[in-house]
Amino acid sequence: DAGVTQSPTHLIKTRGQHVTLRCSPISGHKSVSWYQQVLGQGPQFIFQYYEKEERGRGNFPDRFSARQFPNYSSELNVNALLLGDSALYLCASSLADSPTPYYGYTFGSGTRLTVV
Amino acid sequence: GQQLNQSPQSMFIQEGEDVSMNCTSSSIFNTWLWYKQDPGEGPVLLIALYKAGELTSNGRLTAQFGITRKDSFLNISASIPSDVGIYFCAGFLNTDKLIFGTGTRLQVFP
Repeated sequence: DAGVTQSPTHLIKTRGQHVTLRCSPISGHKSVSWYQQVLGQGPQFIFQYYEKEERGRGNFPDRFSARQFPNYSSELNVNALLLGDSALYLCASSLADSPTPYYGYTFGSGTRLTVV
Repeated sequence: GQQLNQSPQSMFIQEGEDVSMNCTSSSIFNTWLWYKQDPGEGPVLLIALYKAGELTSNGRLTAQFGITRKDSFLNISASIPSDVGIYFCAGFLNTDKLIFGTGTRLQVFP
């Protein structure tokens, strides 16, 4: 079975532009979460979606938005890009919307976004 | 953003040595996770802990969930070159947000 897949793997954008990142969860997983990892730091929670509804949001500005589709894939959108948005954006999928011994929280390899 | 405090920040050890790293928080967590991240990759789950006091092993790795639910440690025995990477502790705050530690960078020399 395929793991969590993210696209694109690398992206370079100019300040002020917008970007869309995509994530396909593991088959059967209904929850998708997004994280931002700035170089040298641990990942920071951005959003969680479960059954197409937003279940949680981290401390990120409104320039960040996301959605989940009926097939449980997800998009993360960032508007008006800033230099500080340069980071590795990680997607994680899980079976359920709460941690249990079988929730299988699994990360993708991420999208490396560079804003110049 | 909120993060857990990990120590040490980095470790340089010789192959075959044992490694110990820990993670502390001011908040109580109900689930502790330990991840390893290689360059250019996402974090990979090593061990998950669900109960205070729980001690769990996965091969050469052993982790414990602190009694106070505010700390955890990870031990790696007989380190090998492929253990090189960044190790993160993480805990679930509420049920939707995974909070990560600051990371411990491990280098193993032959």
